[in-house]
This record gives sequence, structure tokens and C-alpha cells, in this order.
Amino acid sequence: GENVEQHPSTLSVQEGDSAVIKCTYSDSASNYFPWYKQELGKGPQLIIDIRSNVGEKKDQRIAVTLNKTAKHFSLHITETQPEDSAVYFCAALTDSWGKLQFGAGTQVVVTP
Amino acid sequence: DAGITQSPRHKVTETGTPVTLRCHQTENHRYMYWYRQDPGHGLRLIHYSYGVKDTDKGEVSDGYSVSRSKTEDFLLTLESATSSQTSVYFCAISESRDPVFGSGTRLTVV
Repeated sequence: GENVEQHPSTLSVQEGDSAVIKCTYSDSASNYFPWYKQELGKGPQLIIDIRSNVGEKKDQRIAVTLNKTAKHFSLHITETQPEDSAVYFCAALTDSWGKLQFGAGTQVVVTP
Repeated sequence: DAGITQSPRHKVTETGTPVTLRCHQTENHRYMYWYRQDPGHGLRLIHYSYGVKDTDKGEVSDGYSVSRSKTEDFLLTLESATSSQTSVYFCAISESRDPVFGSGTRLTVV
């Protein structure tokens, strides 16, 4: 089955700097890669996703890149703000309906 | 959280007792899922459902059973709770690829 590894497990950045989280996956058949943000006491919320026929996708300050050959994808947050502090999860999907395989998560702390 | 209600939000139970967690949705989505979240493991799929009375196992299904008698309700049962089942449990719903998660149930087994 699919295995997703996520690094780093914790990331501390100064406000205004960029943050990068990297994930690798094992199943070359995976074709959908969402990123979730989880704030304290809440469930994960989808913030951006990318499909396997796209190399990069951007939404305001966040962007995701995908390298299918190397089987890795990354989340980039620019101009970080204190409200970006949260746990971020990457995931990969092989089946056509919703059985995601998650990475272990990255705790991001943005310090003013 | 997008028409998903999990109950209870918190529960403390004793080892060996049965526990049932409930997930209720108002979105009429076909697919429903139960995940557990533990430090260092992310979210792991316990069971999922692709329709009324249609369920299947996820990667960590041992010790858990589920039932879905109505589209809107998906129940997770721990037949005999163990300390290793102390976790935060999330229900999710979807129509296609993007599951939407509930707020979670924090379960402590003592």
C-alpha cells in the first residue's frame, strides 16, 4: 500500500519568512495530493491540493509543487504570519474515492 | 464543520467497556470515514463506508467495528476498549476525493 513520509516534524520560522514542508510517497499510482491544516482543537481542513497532471499550483501565499518522477511533493508558505501556526499534513490518494494516506504532520510555529 | 457533528466530543471510559462514537452528517455525502490521530502517526484510517450498510476495513481496524444504517449516521464501536485506543477520533465525509473532517472526539481509556 501507499506510504507517505513528511519532513520536518517541527518547523519554527520568523514572521515574514518562508516555510517549506516536504513529503515523499511510495505508490507511483497515486494521483491526488492534498494538504491539510489543523488548528488546535479542530479537525484538519483542506488548504490546497494538486493532481498528478500538474507540476505546480499556487493560491495566494501558499503553493504546492509535485515531482512525479522523484515521487515527492512540497508545500511552500511565503510571507508567513502568526495565523499560519498550525499542524500541516500532506496526503496521497491512490483509489478513486477518498482513502487518503497521511504523512505524520509538521508543527509550524511562526514567531513574531 | 460543513454539516458534520461528532458526539461525544470528549469521553473517558474504563478498560474493557464498550464505547460507541457517533458521526452525523447533513450533506447527504455517500462516503464516510473514521480516522484516528496519534502523535507521530498522522491520521490513520480505521473503517470507511461507501453507502448504507456498505463498509470496509482501513489500515488500523482491529478492535473496531462500524455500522451505517442511514446515509447520515456512521457509528464507530470499540467492543472492549483498551488503553491503546486512547486517541482522537475524526469522522470525515466526501462525495469524491476531498474528505471534509469533523471536529473530533477525544477518547481516553483508563
